[in-house]
Amino acid sequence: GESVGLHLPTLSVQEGDNSIINCAYSNSASDYFIWYKQESGKGPQFIIDIRSNMDKRQGQRVTVLLNKTVKHLSLQIAATQPGDSAVYFCAENYGGSQGNLIFGKGTKLSVKP
Amino acid sequence: SQTIHQWPATLVQPVGSPLSLECTVEGTSNPNLYWYRQAAGRGLQLLFYSVGIGQISSEVPQNLSASRPQDRQFILSSKKLLLSDSGFYLCAWSFGIGGHEQFFGPGTRLTVL
Repeated sequence: GESVGLHLPTLSVQEGDNSIINCAYSNSASDYFIWYKQESGKGPQFIIDIRSNMDKRQGQRVTVLLNKTVKHLSLQIAATQPGDSAVYFCAENYGGSQGNLIFGKGTKLSVKP
Repeated sequence: SQTIHQWPATLVQPVGSPLSLECTVEGTSNPNLYWYRQAAGRGLQLLFYSVGIGQISSEVPQNLSASRPQDRQFILSSKKLLLSDSGFYLCAWSFGIGGHEQFFGPGTRLTVL
């Protein structure tokens, strides 16, 4: 089974509000984490990543937080916009030689205007 | 810049027919290449990955096979399709091993009837 899972399969937010998408991972050896955004019928797009030697990383309107103590990852989207509506996947890499990523099931974010 | 192509975009095939999906990457050399399958409303399941020409690793036993005849070409095949092979197939590439983001193609929607 998958070691990466999501607490909330669906999330509905009001335009302009902040969104928080959560992810739990089970492999304490994972050293790299990544968030993807997938719009309907398209391939996933990279949003932001973080290595295990960091607790927080910020991008444009997005922040990823990593809590290694409880093996929890979150994606925060500031001032959510209708264009943010999509399915968001977290993925982990546990440092295998092939660099494979293990993906969670995804959270669907719906932004209400 | 690097680009990744997949074709066809959609495909409808009868049960028992063969399959060939192609993926090519431009603008980079010696990429790692990946094939994923995504069932409706689900996460991504890694099917195959390749770290070089002729080198294929399979993640799950299945009715599919993969080949890498050229550095930037990755092919997913089947001799006889099953109904359960229906899904959204995604090709991805990364620069190297361990800890690098994967860049996804646009995907192929396969329906087996």
